[in-house]
Amino acid sequence: AQSVTQPDIHITVSEGASLELRCNYSYGATPYLFWYVQSPGQGLQLLLKYFSGDTLVQGIKGFEAEFKRSQSSFNLRKPSVHWSDAAEYFCAVGALANAGKSTFGDGTTLTVKP
Amino acid sequence: NAGVTQTPKFQVLKTGQSMTLQCAQDMNHEYMSWYRQDPGMGLRLIHYSVGAGITDQGEVPNGYNVSRSTTEDFPLRLLSAAPSQTSVYFCASSSTGNEQFFGPGTRLTVL
Repeated sequence: AQSVTQPDIHITVSEGASLELRCNYSYGATPYLFWYVQSPGQGLQLLLKYFSGDTLVQGIKGFEAEFKRSQSSFNLRKPSVHWSDAAEYFCAVGALANAGKSTFGDGTTLTVKP
Repeated sequence: NAGVTQTPKFQVLKTGQSMTLQCAQDMNHEYMSWYRQDPGMGLRLIHYSVGAGITDQGEVPNGYNVSRSTTEDFPLRLLSAAPSQTSVYFCASSSTGNEQFFGPGTRLTVL
């Protein structure tokens, strides 16, 4: 069975500081990995995705993530956080053929201090 | 191009009532899914569909029914609402090799 673990429930960083959100997955085949962001009261928006190729993927809003197969990880990073990045972040794993059956982590809430 | 739309945005039900949450997409996606989101639990898959006429159960299907008579629509039916079904419900659609697109959500309270 596929699963996703986001070890950090809540992270607080200062504006301008760097950010890393952790994600570990379990999947029996080649994983299709996603990071989504959710602002309060909103739906989910895709930040980036990985399914093959370069293990460092770039996304929107200055985010990037690195796929490490040996560690079963797909951590999200941003070099300099902006106050508008405060939100909840979800990592998800699914099959390339059917992203509709994705499994989500429990989410990490990011607070940005001025 | 509206993407994924959901109605209603908010709903309050009494225990035992039934209702249907509507979901529609205009992107001609073959895959559609329903998730529920509860505090601290991320999104959990209720039911999904790989095309018109084909549906399957997800992680938490009990108490919910779905059907997919057209590519565009994927309604979720609550047969007899219970307080444990109080949640935010998200519909999503996707095509092969691509990510899911999410609707704005329906916030359901069952008293």
